[in-house]
Amino acid sequence: GAGVSQSPRYKVTKRGQDVALRCDPISGHVSLYWYRQALGQGPEFLTYFNYEAQQDKSGLPNDRFSAERPEGSISTLTIQRTEQRDSAMYRCASSHPFLGPEAFFGQGTRLTVV
Amino acid sequence: GDSVTQMEGPVTLSEEAFLTINCTYTATGYPSLFWYVQYPGEGLQLLLKATKADDKGSNKGFEATYRKETTSFHLEKGSVQVSDSAVYFCALSVQGAQKLVFGQGTRLTINP
Repeated sequence: GAGVSQSPRYKVTKRGQDVALRCDPISGHVSLYWYRQALGQGPEFLTYFNYEAQQDKSGLPNDRFSAERPEGSISTLTIQRTEQRDSAMYRCASSHPFLGPEAFFGQGTRLTVV
Repeated sequence: GDSVTQMEGPVTLSEEAFLTINCTYTATGYPSLFWYVQYPGEGLQLLLKATKADDKGSNKGFEATYRKETTSFHLEKGSVQVSDSAVYFCALSVQGAQKLVFGQGTRLTINP
């Protein structure tokens, strides 16, 4: 696609429910990243993929968080048994090594756990 | 570890004023440096970048120079406009690590 697309844009869920956040990167981009941004803070790295391989998941806060990119394109970030502290903006980005080091971001998914 | 420190905001200026937003970094290796901007209601957009020491990134009248000796990448604009009101993030990417490390962001408001 023309840009990075994330869905849903807004998600309100009850504590204890599982949520799945979707990211569709720019067509042909090799790398895909997930970040989490708390209000008033900069984005913090969660995990990233090159093609379908998860290269670094050091930023995932605990084992309730997981991500996959099974066909090397669309990715899903899943949060199990959500807690109020999971409320944040979740941002996806993609990049291609041949085009430079910069990443291109989607508009994000605002997750609110009530 | 790698980190980015931005001047604390918020920053409020009048239209046509000179803007500086300070950014310093700590990194192993030789990072690439970026400024991203988030306009109200929109996602993060790359504003400018510099990939090696003494490089100057520029876009939309904004400039930043990669200063290795002072580990800085300060954002400047000579004459700001109301439309520049946004949150600005300084970030780095260390070669081989791919991920971005962001500063906390600086909210800029320009009054007419």
